[in-house]
Amino acid sequence: GENVEQHPSTLSVQEGDSAVIKCTYSDSASNYFPWYKQELGKRPQLIIDIRSNVGEKKDQRIAVTLNKTAKHFSLHITETQPEDSAVYFCAAVRYNFNKFYFGSGTKLNVKP
Amino acid sequence: DVKVTQSSRYLVKRTGEKVFLECVQDMDHENMFWYRQDPGLGLRLIYFSYDVKMKEKGDIPEGYSVSREKKERFSLILESASTNQTSMYLCASNPSGGNQPQHFGDGTRLSIL
Repeated sequence: GENVEQHPSTLSVQEGDSAVIKCTYSDSASNYFPWYKQELGKRPQLIIDIRSNVGEKKDQRIAVTLNKTAKHFSLHITETQPEDSAVYFCAAVRYNFNKFYFGSGTKLNVKP
Repeated sequence: DVKVTQSSRYLVKRTGEKVFLECVQDMDHENMFWYRQDPGLGLRLIYFSYDVKMKEKGDIPEGYSVSREKKERFSLILESASTNQTSMYLCASNPSGGNQPQHFGDGTRLSIL
């Protein structure tokens, strides 16, 4: 089965700095990579996703990059704000199986 | 907007009890999922369902069963609760067709005493 590793487990940045979270996956057949944000006491919510036919996707301050050859993908948050503080999860999905394999999560703390 | 509703936010049960966690979605999604979330372990899949009366084991099905009698409802059952099943349980759904994001409920924090 798929194995998704996520690093770092915790990340502390100063407000305004950038934050980068990295995930690697093992199954070359995985072709869909969503990112979820979970604020304390709330449900995980999709913030951005990427499919394997593109290498990068951007949505305002958030971007995701995908390197299929190396089997890793990353979340980039620029100009971080205190409300970005949350736990972020990556996932890898194989098209025909619809099983989401989640990373172990990254707790991001943005200090004002 | 997709709405996935879990019946309880917090639940306290005793060892050996039969426990039911309920999940309802209102978007006519074919697929529904149950995860448990533990610190440092991320989300682990317990069971999922692709259709009514259909179920598939996930990665950690031991000690659990599920029921899907109607398309909108997916129930997780702890046949005989044990303390190591104390956890946060998350329900999710998504439509069929591949590469569709999952939508999550608010979670049930279950404590087994």
